[in-house]
Amino acid sequence: DAKTTQPPSMDCAEGRAANLPCNHSTISGNEYVYWYRQIHSQGPQYIIHGLKNNETNEMASLIITEDRKSSTLILPHATLRDTAVYYCIVGGKTSYDKVIFGPGTSLSVIP
Amino acid sequence: ETGVTQTPRHLVMGMTNKKSLKCEQHLGHNAMYWYKQSAKKPLELMFVYSLEERVENNSVPSRFSPECPNSSHLFLHLHTLQPEDSALYLCASSLTGVNTEAFFGQGTRLTVV
Repeated sequence: DAKTTQPPSMDCAEGRAANLPCNHSTISGNEYVYWYRQIHSQGPQYIIHGLKNNETNEMASLIITEDRKSSTLILPHATLRDTAVYYCIVGGKTSYDKVIFGPGTSLSVIP
Repeated sequence: ETGVTQTPRHLVMGMTNKKSLKCEQHLGHNAMYWYKQSAKKPLELMFVYSLEERVENNSVPSRFSPECPNSSHLFLHLHTLQPEDSALYLCASSLTGVNTEAFFGQGTRLTVV
């Protein structure tokens, strides 16, 4: 079973920041938070991951709360191509991992 | 382009047919995965291979038979499927013990008639 909860859907205006929340209250100390997205009928795409520090790459920023029970993925300037289902997943990094997906958040970027 | 290639991209098969899906990666990954995604449902993990050994089989019916001949190739053999098996089948790979973010192929859209 997925160990995260996300809102089923969100809207964001084009050019604005999209903030996607995720709750993972049962996360254990050695588990990372991963984000993927899936554009319609394509394979999921890895976005970013982190342990406890905030992370940023060319695609997005990941903000993890100090207690690690929740996180937020930030797309700083959403475009229409960012319309997708976004998945938040927790998993370990020291052994093979079962990448288990929940229903995710369907983000619609509106012109 | 993720480095994970699946063939064919689309497949239509009858319930009595036998077919195989192929997945290939040359990323140096040592774990490979099969997922099933039915319409409007989350991805379901079917099989996991780590170092070419099956380490996970999530109660998948025997009409689905995986094969991992080496760390770069993964197959899903299909026989006597049912219409409800129609779905998008996704392959993924990752490098265990270091970074476990998975790279996905574009999937095979399977229709069973």
